[in-house]
Amino acid sequence: DQQVKQNSPSLSVQEGRISILNCDYTNSMFDYFLWYKKYPAEGPTFLISISSIKDKNEDGRFTVFLNKSAKHLSLHIVPSQPGDSAVYFCAASPFGNQFYFGTGTSLTVIP
Amino acid sequence: DVKVTQSSRYLVKRTGEKVFLECVQDMDHENMFWYRQDPGLGLRLIYFSYDVKMKEKGDIPEGYSVSREKKERFSLILESASTNQTSMYLCASIPSSGRGEGEAFFGQGTRLTVV
Repeated sequence: DQQVKQNSPSLSVQEGRISILNCDYTNSMFDYFLWYKKYPAEGPTFLISISSIKDKNEDGRFTVFLNKSAKHLSLHIVPSQPGDSAVYFCAASPFGNQFYFGTGTSLTVIP
Repeated sequence: DVKVTQSSRYLVKRTGEKVFLECVQDMDHENMFWYRQDPGLGLRLIYFSYDVKMKEKGDIPEGYSVSREKKERFSLILESASTNQTSMYLCASIPSSGRGEGEAFFGQGTRLTVV
């Protein structure tokens, strides 16, 4: 069973607008969450993370929100740029040394 | 910079061949992982290792084995390649063992096609 789910396989937004990518998890033992970005034919690269003791973490245009009671996290990209077009994976970890990945959301930012 | 290097970007193998995928990391990380990425299925964990000579099965170990003789090298072995093992294979390493907030560093991936 998939413990980390990204229910939207794809998302299209206009350049300059906000992109919101969502992720749900089922395991209450997860306490550390990450977002990765992946271009075709490349390995995923780390984007941003959040610990369960926080509900928000920002890094430039990227903000991750965590709602522990709902077992839900989201990634906001503001403003979206064409170079943000990629597949985004969320990941969750119970102890920080093993990660469970979602199925990915393909983001297309339209110029 | 942490570097995780996979030996091949693209491989084409025949059904029944024994296939070796090599991964080397240069930052003395304890934990190493092999994932495969397939459309609509995300990254699925095949095997992982917390230390030299140690290995643990992930979610989809069938048809695969691994070897970790040295800390920096983690090899994935397809004992007898089959067409359903055509996929993108990704190696990752994580610096911390036990509780921690280390990120996973990924190699560039190996696109394997079994014909």
